[in-house]
Amino acid sequence: QKEVEQNSGPLSVPEGAIASLNCTYSDRVSQSFFWYRQYSGKSPELIMSIYSNGDKEDGRFTAQLNKASQYVSLLIRDSQPSDSATYLCAVKDRGSTLGRLYFGRGTQLTVWP
Amino acid sequence: DTEVTQTPKHLVMGMTNKKSLKCEQHMGHRAMYWYKQKAKKPPELMFVYSYEKLSINESVPSRFSPECPNSSLLNLHLHALQPEDSALYLCASSHIAGVQETQYFGPGTRLLVL
Repeated sequence: QKEVEQNSGPLSVPEGAIASLNCTYSDRVSQSFFWYRQYSGKSPELIMSIYSNGDKEDGRFTAQLNKASQYVSLLIRDSQPSDSATYLCAVKDRGSTLGRLYFGRGTQLTVWP
Repeated sequence: DTEVTQTPKHLVMGMTNKKSLKCEQHMGHRAMYWYKQKAKKPPELMFVYSYEKLSINESVPSRFSPECPNSSLLNLHLHALQPEDSALYLCASSHIAGVQETQYFGPGTRLLVL
């Protein structure tokens, strides 16, 4: 059974700061990594996907992947109150059965003005 | 366009009722998914359809019955549910693309069973 662990939070940062969200996973066959943002009462919304070691940037968001350390993170620069949400890390195996995403429990982020 | 639509947005039903949840996507995705999400928990996979065939059933009770009438539509038929089945039901879809399979979620149906 794959385990996906996220920093438990809640995480609280001031507006304009960098928010750092971390995720570790339990085995080395994982190949695809996703960050979803979920506002309270809403559905998960894809923020980033990353498949290769290193950094991937999209606007204020940067995903970092280190497969050797089994670690993936999401940095949010210039955090805004609208970034306040729960962030879900999800992991997929190489060649796993279609649809098998493993989710962490989520990290709740609050950005205060 | 990465839109998955779901109807209804909210549903209240008694334990003897029969109802259906509907999901639709027009992105050409050939994989569709049903998830259940309880408050403050991550989504739990229920069913996966691949090319309109059921490929994963996560030991879901038979009171939940999925159906995939065509490549764009996914239904979840509900019958004799229990109050503990109250949750947010999420539909998702993806291309069948191996490592780069990315799932896009619909807005969900908030279900309350009385």
